[in-house]
Formats: sequence, C-alpha cells, structure tokens
Amino acid sequence: AQSVTQLGSHVSVSEGALVLLRCNYSSSVPPYLFWYVQYPNQGLQLLLKYTSAATLVKGINGFEAEFKKSETSFHLTKPSAHMSDAAEYFCAVRNSGGSNYKLTFGKGTLLTVNP
Amino acid sequence: EAGVTQSPTHLIKTRGQQVTLRCSPISGHTSVYWYQQALGLGLQFLLWYDEGEERNRGNFPPRFSGRQFPNYSSELNVNALELEDSALYLCASREMGFGNSPLHFGNGTRLTVT
Repeated sequence: AQSVTQLGSHVSVSEGALVLLRCNYSSSVPPYLFWYVQYPNQGLQLLLKYTSAATLVKGINGFEAEFKKSETSFHLTKPSAHMSDAAEYFCAVRNSGGSNYKLTFGKGTLLTVNP
Repeated sequence: EAGVTQSPTHLIKTRGQQVTLRCSPISGHTSVYWYQQALGLGLQFLLWYDEGEERNRGNFPPRFSGRQFPNYSSELNVNALELEDSALYLCASREMGFGNSPLHFGNGTRLTVT
C-alpha cells in the first residue's frame, strides 16, 4: 500500500528564509503525489500535484516541489517565507489501482514563520 | 464556482447521541469523500461515495455510515457517539475520469462530544 512520511512535525523559519518541508513516499508503482495546506479552522487547499509530466512542479503561493524517484521524495520548497505561509502542510499519495481512488495523507508539518 | 460546502460548521453532542453531517460537492463532481481529522491522529479516510454507491470504507466501526443523494450531496451519520469521535470532519469532492485529479475539501464540521 502507498504511504507518505513527513519528516518533522514542526518547522520554524524566519520571514524571508527558505522553506523546506520534507515528504518521502512508499509506492510500488509511479505515484500520484499532492501537497495540501491547511490554515487554522479551515479545510485543506491544494498547493500542487505531481502528474509525471515534469519532475519540478510549481504550485500556488510561490511553492514548488521536486519529484526524485531515486530518493522516493517529493519535498516542498519556497525560496522566501512570508508570514502568511504559517499553516499546516500535508503531503498525500494516491493509491494505485484503477478507479479505486483514495488519498493517504502524511501526519502533517506545522510551519511557523518568525518575524 | 462554489466550492465544497459543509454544514453545520460546529456541533456539540453528548456521548451516546447521534449526529448527521452534510456536504455539497462542487458542481459536476460525482465523488464525495469523508475524512476524520482528530487531534494527534492526522487525516483518516472514512468513506467514499460515487454515483450514489459506497465505493470504499476506511477502518472505522459500522456506527459511522453515510449516503449520497441523487444530486451527489452526501451525509455522514455517526451513531452512539463516543468521546474519541471529537474531531474535524472533512468532506471532499473530486472530478471523476482523471487519475490524478485532486480532492477539493470543504472547511469541515467541528464535532465536540462531551
């Protein structure tokens, strides 16, 4: 079964610093991967998705993620953190297998941005 | 385009009671998913409905059930509430026919069981 592991339940950066949120996946087949963000008291919002068309995926709000098959990783980055980026971030993988679609989420990484 | 809408936004129930949560998917989306987000447990898959049928179920007891209506809206029912059912319940919808189409989430219903 597909799974994702997010390294670091809490990441703290200074405003303007690089944001790096780590996600490693486990999948026996080429995976479908997603990053979502959750602001307080809200649902999840899609940041970006990996479609296999390109290994570097650009998302909303200046985020991007790079798919590295050799490392089974899909880390999320942003060159310069903004206060508004403070939220919880979830990596997710879709199960393989035709029409049976289910997303499995990592446990999340809480990003704190310090002024 | 209206997003996924859920009601109510907050709910307080007593242990042993029953609760019904509601979800309206994005127009044109036929698939509805329910997830439970409990403190410390992350997002747990509950149920998936498509075209009115239950397609998949997570590792939850039978007192968690639901249904999908002809207009693709959905209800989640939880019977015999327990304290550990306190959580944010998230509904999501998806456009069928595309293998990597994402889930679109509502803002959730916060259930507190006392």
